Amino acid sequence: SQQGEEDPQALSIQEGENATMNCSYKTSINNLQWYRQNSGRGLVHLILIRSNEREKHSGRLRVTLDTSKKSSSLLITASRAADTASYFCATGTNSGTYKYIFGTGTRLKVLA
Amino acid sequence: EADIYQTPRYLVIGTGKKITLECSQTMGHDKMYWYQQDPGMELHLIHYSYGVNSTEKGDLSSESTVSRIRTEHFPLTLESARPSHTSQYLCASSMGLRQYNSPLHFGNGTRLTVT
Repeated sequence: SQQGEEDPQALSIQEGENATMNCSYKTSINNLQWYRQNSGRGLVHLILIRSNEREKHSGRLRVTLDTSKKSSSLLITASRAADTASYFCATGTNSGTYKYIFGTGTRLKVLA
Repeated sequence: EADIYQTPRYLVIGTGKKITLECSQTMGHDKMYWYQQDPGMELHLIHYSYGVNSTEKGDLSSESTVSRIRTEHFPLTLESARPSHTSQYLCASSMGLRQYNSPLHFGNGTRLTVT
């Protein structure tokens, strides 16, 4: 199974509501990152949280990390139609390599 | 948007053809990566490089090959394309050979269809 698995797989909300996505992983990590992908495009980096951090904010984004549960959550507050995209978590490991392992993604649809 | 470019954007070719997908970045990043992604699915790492003359296979078995002769250029080649190679190929780069906490910068991908 995947190193990172997102939950839910798909989420549909109304504009103005908050969206929460979760990511679980299996091995020890150095950092965890969240990315957004618009349909047919590459991924865009949103936020990075290090393994010794518990919470991080960037604009309308809030990320938490619980290394004891090997999980992270991404909260988007006051969502907009432009937030419609797929969101992926990616983990950077402590294995001595610089590979990033991506999760299965959450497809978010924000209805206007 | 990051300065990483992939060409072509779309490619439709017949079975058995040799193709090269181009990826270039102007940020001077040491690390570069190729990911394969089927529509709506997760990304799978197929190749990566830590710098010039360094290439490694990723976690997903791939019949493609890569080269890294220049820092800015990381092309991916399929010697004989097959319909199973139909997918989206994403190139990415990140800075700092010894930096674990550097984000990936992605190109917009090449969508390959093999008929």
